[in-house]
Amino acid sequence: GQQVMQIPQYQHVQEGEDFTTYCNSSTTLSNIQWYKQRPGGHPVFLIQLVKSGEVKKQKRLTFQFGEAKKNSSLHITATQTTDVGTYFCAGPGSSNTGKLIFGQGTTLQVKP
Amino acid sequence: DTEVTQTPKHLVMGMTNKKSLKCEQHMGHRAMYWYKQKAKKPPELMFVYSYEKLSINESVPSRFSPECPNSSLLNLHLHALQPEDSALYLCASSQDWYGGAVEKLFFGSGTQLSVL
Repeated sequence: GQQVMQIPQYQHVQEGEDFTTYCNSSTTLSNIQWYKQRPGGHPVFLIQLVKSGEVKKQKRLTFQFGEAKKNSSLHITATQTTDVGTYFCAGPGSSNTGKLIFGQGTTLQVKP
Repeated sequence: DTEVTQTPKHLVMGMTNKKSLKCEQHMGHRAMYWYKQKAKKPPELMFVYSYEKLSINESVPSRFSPECPNSSLLNLHLHALQPEDSALYLCASSQDWYGGAVEKLFFGSGTQLSVL
């Protein structure tokens, strides 16, 4: 079945450094979503990418969808302590079954 | 109102108990979901309801019984659970669910369940 792989699993950065997490799918995705889960919290939707090669920005966050629609990335510029949490990418399951499959997540720690 | 409300926030139950988790949304969403999340793992889909009908059951054991009384409410009835069922149970909703497209999910804050 379709798998969504995410790397790295953990990332520790100094406040002010940049951070990137990568998401790769074994199959072409019709779209990809990104969620953030703060420690002790619940996943919160960040963005959805649909078009091949799409780039979207939200303040210090930049989201990209690969040309082949099999990979995506989230880049945070100049991290802040408020960026701490686990970032999940999520894509539709294979055969368009209507299931959202989450990657394993990247947990970001930011040292002040 | 853009919230999904889940109760209770915490639940401790024995293996012979029967309990229910409740979820409510007032965003007019027509699809509701139950996810299970173990510590340091991604959410795993359990059930999808679309227009109050069960559309997806991810081969969940029968000791978990979902119910959708109306478009705003979603319950998860628990009976004879095992310690390995201890997890965070998340309810979510989306505007719609077409079986092919997956819309953005609004998650509730979850119920942290411990089975003793």
